[in-house]
Amino acid sequence: KAGVTQTPRYLIKTRGQQVTLSCSPISGHRSVSWYQQTPGQGLQFLFEYFSETQRNKGNFPGRFSGRQFSNSRSEMNVSTLELGDSALYLCASSLYLGITDTQYFGPGTRLTVL
Amino acid sequence: AQKVTQAQTEISVVEKEDVTLDCVYETRDTTYYLFWYKQPPSGELVFLIRRNSFDEQNEISGRYSWNFQKSTSSFNFTITASQVVDSAVYFCALRDEGNFNKFYFGSGTKLNVKP
Repeated sequence: KAGVTQTPRYLIKTRGQQVTLSCSPISGHRSVSWYQQTPGQGLQFLFEYFSETQRNKGNFPGRFSGRQFSNSRSEMNVSTLELGDSALYLCASSLYLGITDTQYFGPGTRLTVL
Repeated sequence: AQKVTQAQTEISVVEKEDVTLDCVYETRDTTYYLFWYKQPPSGELVFLIRRNSFDEQNEISGRYSWNFQKSTSSFNFTITASQVVDSAVYFCALRDEGNFNKFYFGSGTKLNVKP
């Protein structure tokens, strides 16, 4: 079974631009979560989507947004990029079983903001 | 509040040595889940284990073993006879009390296994 895939793997943008990252979950998985990983802050939860609805949101500004499509694929958008947005963005998918759920992560998209 | 602490920032061992990675957690919930993930240089977080709070039995999987102790709020991970391929960053994580797919990660422990 194919794992979680993320595109693109690497991205370079300049301040003020916007960016869209894509995540395709494991087949059959209905929940997609996004995390930001930086050397200073570590792994931080951004948001989770299930059934095309945002279920949870972390403490990030409104510049960070996302959506999920009917096939469970998800996109994450960051507008008005700042230097501090440079990070590895990881997507995770799960079956959405509730408390016994396990998240499986993709390889990430490494975003560099110049 | 949920919190995970991995006090060991980086550990270096020589191949075939045993190594233990520490994880201490904080939660007010009575039922909770803990996880370990491995992050090789490629970046992908690889799921290793999930443990719930009402099962304190230690678990062994090949060279990997986990020691869960509620009394000390610890969930330590031991690699026996380490190999170079074990070199990675290891993360301990705690599931949020009410949001099942919101994890709190520790800061990670970078393990260097030298030949």
